[in-house]
Amino acid sequence: QKEVEQDPGPLSVPEGAIVSLNCTYSNSAFQYFMWYRQYSRKGPELLMYTYSSGNKEDGRFTAQVDKSSKYISLFIRDSQPSDSATYLCAGGTSGSRLTFGEGTQLTVNP
Amino acid sequence: NAGVTQTPKFQVLKTGQSMTLQCAQDMNHNSMYWYRQDPGMGLRLIYYSASEGTTDKGEVPNGYNVSRLNKREFSLRLESAAPSQTSVYFCASRIAGTSGRNEQYFGPGTRLTVT
Repeated sequence: QKEVEQDPGPLSVPEGAIVSLNCTYSNSAFQYFMWYRQYSRKGPELLMYTYSSGNKEDGRFTAQVDKSSKYISLFIRDSQPSDSATYLCAGGTSGSRLTFGEGTQLTVNP
Repeated sequence: NAGVTQTPKFQVLKTGQSMTLQCAQDMNHNSMYWYRQDPGMGLRLIYYSASEGTTDKGEVPNGYNVSRLNKREFSLRLESAAPSQTSVYFCASRIAGTSGRNEQYFGPGTRLTVT
């Protein structure tokens, strides 16, 4: 079993929709969590960083972490075609390593 | 700031050939990482360097070697390339130290094909 599980999609939504992307993880030692956005043929770009449980909001993006259920989510409000990308979740402990999910491919249709 | 840079962007090798992938960061980060990304497998850690002068194996180190040349540069070497090493390779860096910051920043990647 992978330490971080993520549905690879693909997920296709109309412009303006609210998008919910989700991951589960099995390592209870994870303390911090990240979401990366990766455009086609580019490197991953850090989108959101959260420490422990709770919510973090940045513009149209909200990251949620529920450590009790080992569930992490990314919500995108008013989705735009420019949000079309692969979204990677990741978890890490206080050490230096991150463990990534497989990534979910999102397409926002105009 | 250029952030994390990688060279080359593309490379085609024949089985058995060797090559070195170069990575440099100008953010004064302490830790550096090499990942490979394959369809259906996500990002997998090959090797990392928590600080200058140290290197450690990641999840998939076989067939690779690394050198932390200085604080800025971290190279990945394939001594005898195999078709199974066809992948996209990403370098990343993290500030680490006493900052409490854990975010990793990625380079643009190197697309490697081994025939």
